[in-house]
Amino acid sequence: GAVVSQHPSWVICKSGTSVKIECRSLDFQATTMFWYRQFPKQSLMLMATSNEGSKATYEQGVEKDKFLINHASLTLSTLTVTSAHPEDSSFYICSAKTRLAGGSGANVLTFGAGSRLTVL
Amino acid sequence: GQNIDQPTEMTATEGAIVQINCTYQTSGFNGLFWYQQHAGEAPTFLSYNVLDGLEEKGRFSSFLSRSKGYSYLLLKELQMKDSASYLCAVRVQTTSGTYKYIFGTGTRLKVLA
Repeated sequence: GAVVSQHPSWVICKSGTSVKIECRSLDFQATTMFWYRQFPKQSLMLMATSNEGSKATYEQGVEKDKFLINHASLTLSTLTVTSAHPEDSSFYICSAKTRLAGGSGANVLTFGAGSRLTVL
Repeated sequence: GQNIDQPTEMTATEGAIVQINCTYQTSGFNGLFWYQQHAGEAPTFLSYNVLDGLEEKGRFSSFLSRSKGYSYLLLKELQMKDSASYLCAVRVQTTSGTYKYIFGTGTRLKVLA
């Protein structure tokens, strides 16, 4: 089945530095990827929709200058947390639309393994 | 705005049946999805409804009523490994014609021996 690879799994950084998280579709092309953020024991909050070759669409309340998204190819989207602060510490997870095998062929989301960011 | 609600926590016994409800108030509804997420891991797809009715898939079934803005996930013959969070997600069509997936609050299910 479709695989979405996300790196790094864990990252610890100092306050004020920038961190880049990569999300790759390994055996399919993903024109659209979605970036989510998850706080402990809470659900997924959509941050932005990443579109290949064009600007990302950010959700209300998400700072686009803080969370830079680049989707330069059909298999790679990156999220850069700029000038990170402790409140940016969270679990960031990307996903891509994939088509279900079998009858329905519906589009579902396949997720990467997530990246846990800790900002000291 | 978009609003998707689920119970925060549920507890059930091994071998039992449990129903996890999801109510939603969204615009541009285009399908409802259920995902399972074990602690520290990525969500995995369980089930999908776009039309009203019941979809059955082994021990898992999902039901949708679009007129009521309501869905449930039914888990039968519960096993210890079913202890996880269950996320209800709605796919919505945006004003620009694209689609995005909004997740509910999630339900943490604990299965007891």
